[in-house]
Amino acid sequence: AQTVTQSQPEMSVQEAETVTLSCTYDTSESDYYLFWYKQPPSRQMILVIRQEAYKQQNATENRFSVNFQKAAKSFSLKISDSQLGDAAMYFCAYSWGAQKLVFGQGTRLTINP
Amino acid sequence: DTGVSQDPRHKITKRGQNVTFRCDPISEHNRLYWYRQTLGQGPEFLTYFQNEAQLEKSRLLSDRFSAERPKGSFSTLEIQRTEQGDSAMYLCASSPLTSGLNTEAFFGQGTRLTVV
Repeated sequence: AQTVTQSQPEMSVQEAETVTLSCTYDTSESDYYLFWYKQPPSRQMILVIRQEAYKQQNATENRFSVNFQKAAKSFSLKISDSQLGDAAMYFCAYSWGAQKLVFGQGTRLTINP
Repeated sequence: DTGVSQDPRHKITKRGQNVTFRCDPISEHNRLYWYRQTLGQGPEFLTYFQNEAQLEKSRLLSDRFSAERPKGSFSTLEIQRTEQGDSAMYLCASSPLTSGLNTEAFFGQGTRLTVV
């Protein structure tokens, strides 16, 4: 069975600094998708960034980038120039076969002004 | 279209009562998912529809839970004889049917259930 592990329950960073959130996963599939979702307090979950496993190039979306290490089954999220609005729960997720998402336990990110 | 809509946003019920939640997905999204999220945890998959067909159910979905998606549009999730352990946030998500493995899901704001 596929599993996703986030080993950092909480992280904090100073505004304008860079922070990296860790994620590891386990799967026997070769083609799959990995995601980082953001869940602000009392608000809906939104997609931050997506990585296709068959692509070697790491995905980037403005201040957000990933470090995808397929052999190590590692998928970390880097947030550059952290902003107060980045404060949220961040979930790493895995999907295969265009079906369900398997989520990690989440990392609560706090931005210190 | 304003996104995935869930109703109600909050529900408090007494143990043993039945509750029903509704999810309206983004128009033309063929796939619809239900997840359950307990406090401080990531969402856990419950069930998945492609159009009106329920294609997968998690072992988390006991016999007291039933989900439907008549006509492949909105979906309902019913919990019969609620228990305190059912207290959680119930999330609905939808995604379009694509030829590839693109599975970007769009989430609703969830229904928070409290069983007292």
